[in-house]
Amino acid sequence: DAGVTQSPTHLIKTRGQQVTLRCSPKSGHDTVSWYQQALGQGPQFIFQYYEEEERQRGNFPDRFSGHQFPNYSSELNVNALLLGDSALYLCASSFSLGGSYNEQFFGPGTRLTVL
Amino acid sequence: SQQGEEDPQALSIQEGENATMNCSYKTSINNLQWYRQNSGRGLVHLILIRSNEREKHSGRLRVTLDTSKKSSSLLITASRAADTASYFCATDPRDDKIIFGKGTRLHILP
Repeated sequence: DAGVTQSPTHLIKTRGQQVTLRCSPKSGHDTVSWYQQALGQGPQFIFQYYEEEERQRGNFPDRFSGHQFPNYSSELNVNALLLGDSALYLCASSFSLGGSYNEQFFGPGTRLTVL
Repeated sequence: SQQGEEDPQALSIQEGENATMNCSYKTSINNLQWYRQNSGRGLVHLILIRSNEREKHSGRLRVTLDTSKKSSSLLITASRAADTASYFCATDPRDDKIIFGKGTRLHILP
């Protein structure tokens, strides 16, 4: 079992550009959540996808969008990058059960640097 | 708004000692989870405790939950160098999204 995988590992972009991050969930998981973690802070919830739809969303602007594919993999897109978007982006997968959050398995993250 | 707040922000102890960190939250929750993160890498799930549970154990880890005080504690017994990491609590408020605290940075001294 490969666990949760994310690509790329590192990414450098300039302000105003667009970026797409990718995530493959752990085998058997149907729910993918994305988090942004600034240096020295805890992860901040961006949104969660289940059955190819956004189920919940955190306090992030519309520049942040996502997608979930039929195989449960997911993408995070960020448009019009700002310097403040520099962070570690974490993907987590879980198996949806009963509506509440269950154990999440995290990927290693994508380190995004915006210059 | 910050739902979960860990305390202390940083903790240094000698190897072999016990480490205790606390988490306080503001609203009613479905469950509370503790995670570990090594050096800015992905988080590792440690324990999930549901709102109707008061204590859970997993190996050297002991988690308590006091819903009346809206607080939880994580105890690591007989600490090891490999326990050096940041520890986060994550709360699952009813009808709201999961929220992580800022974490406790634990450093185990040889």
